[in-house]
Amino acid sequence: DGGITQSPKYLFRKEGQNVTLSCEQNLNHDAMYWYRQDPGQGLRLIYYSQIVNDFQKGDIAEGYSVSREKKESFPLTVTSAQKNPTAFYLCASSITRGWNQPQHFGDGTRLSIL
Amino acid sequence: DAKTTQPNSMESNEEEPVHLPCNHSTISGTDYIHWYRQLPSQGPEYVIHGLTSNVNNRMASLAIAEDRKSSTLILHRATLRDAAVYYCISKSQGAQKLVFGQGTRLTINP
Repeated sequence: DGGITQSPKYLFRKEGQNVTLSCEQNLNHDAMYWYRQDPGQGLRLIYYSQIVNDFQKGDIAEGYSVSREKKESFPLTVTSAQKNPTAFYLCASSITRGWNQPQHFGDGTRLSIL
Repeated sequence: DAKTTQPNSMESNEEEPVHLPCNHSTISGTDYIHWYRQLPSQGPEYVIHGLTSNVNNRMASLAIAEDRKSSTLILHRATLRDAAVYYCISKSQGAQKLVFGQGTRLTINP
């Protein structure tokens, strides 16, 4: 079945450490997105990519980095510069670049600080 | 940003219809209205989207006001599995992003 796979489901980070969250899709979608969700809050956009080898900052990109070397993969690195990284991270994809296309979400990665 | 306003919470009974309202007074003429729902510890799930006319699919119906400043998601016969946070989303004016509001937490009573 086609879908979006995020791994790991749970991740722990030590102070000063970079961690990378994986997002893979086999839907052949052009666009991919990373969101952050804090408890009881809505989703906030971190980065998005509309095509391979291209990506743009969202609302809260500071302390994060991404790459889009392959169409099916859009990993997110949470760097040590992100001072409050504890959150639920969600990856999504959509069939074309247009923002009016429905987005398909993975089941998320929950990141905590040790 | 195109802002949406939804009630924080709503409650309904199993097997009854549910009408979830959303205001989006700053939506531009060519932007779609999307609805997603999210169960605890899961990613959001696409429910439905529309532009001007009412839309139906296997999950729900979407009724859009004639002036497009508001819409209503209709669950025709709620089940316990419909208990979730429902997000109404519109594209931000002048920017290429979707805006997720706080959503409505729907509780379904057996």
